[in-house]
Amino acid sequence: AQTVTQSQPEMSVQEAETVTLSCTYDTSESDYYLFWYKQPPSRQMILVIRQEAYKQQNATENRFSVNFQKAAKSFSLKISDSQLGDAAMYFCAYRSRAGGTSYGKLTFGQGTILTVHP
Amino acid sequence: NAGVMQNPRHLVRRRGQEARLRCSPMKGHSHVYWYRQLPEEGLKFMVYLQKENIIDESGMPKERFSAEFPKEGPSILRIQQVVRGDSAAYFCASSPPGQGRQVHEQYFGPGTRLTVT
Repeated sequence: AQTVTQSQPEMSVQEAETVTLSCTYDTSESDYYLFWYKQPPSRQMILVIRQEAYKQQNATENRFSVNFQKAAKSFSLKISDSQLGDAAMYFCAYRSRAGGTSYGKLTFGQGTILTVHP
Repeated sequence: NAGVMQNPRHLVRRRGQEARLRCSPMKGHSHVYWYRQLPEEGLKFMVYLQKENIIDESGMPKERFSAEFPKEGPSILRIQQVVRGDSAAYFCASSPPGQGRQVHEQYFGPGTRLTVT
């Protein structure tokens, strides 16, 4: 079974600064997706960015980028030019790309609460 | 295109009652997933359904919990004889049909917060 670990329960950053959230995962599969989701106080889950394991290039979405280290099974999220609206709980998630009935589910980490100071 | 809809948003039940949570996927989506989020924890997968079929229920408690996604109408997560430990936020997500092994993002609803008193 796959596991996802976020070792930082809380992080904080000054507005306009950069912050990196850590995520490690364990899997025996070689083909999978990784995601970062944001959950603001409204509790709505919002997809921030996704990475396909077979792609070596790190994904980027505007101010959000990832550092994907497949051999180390590490998938960190970097938020540049942090804004007050970035304050939320951030979840790292894994999804298998292999066949079979279990490929649909997302496996989430425990989450990291990000506080942005003005 | 309306997003994933869940109702009710808040549900209060007394111990022993039944809870029914509804999820209407996005238009064109035929895959539905249910997740549970206990306080201060991440989301945990419960069940994955396609129209009229349960594909993966490996995260569903064996007793008291059931899920369906009929040909017509929303997906329903049903919890019988609720206990205090069932208090949590229940999220539904949907995705479109896959093309072979193509995997699509899951789009989440706003969740239903169940409180058992």
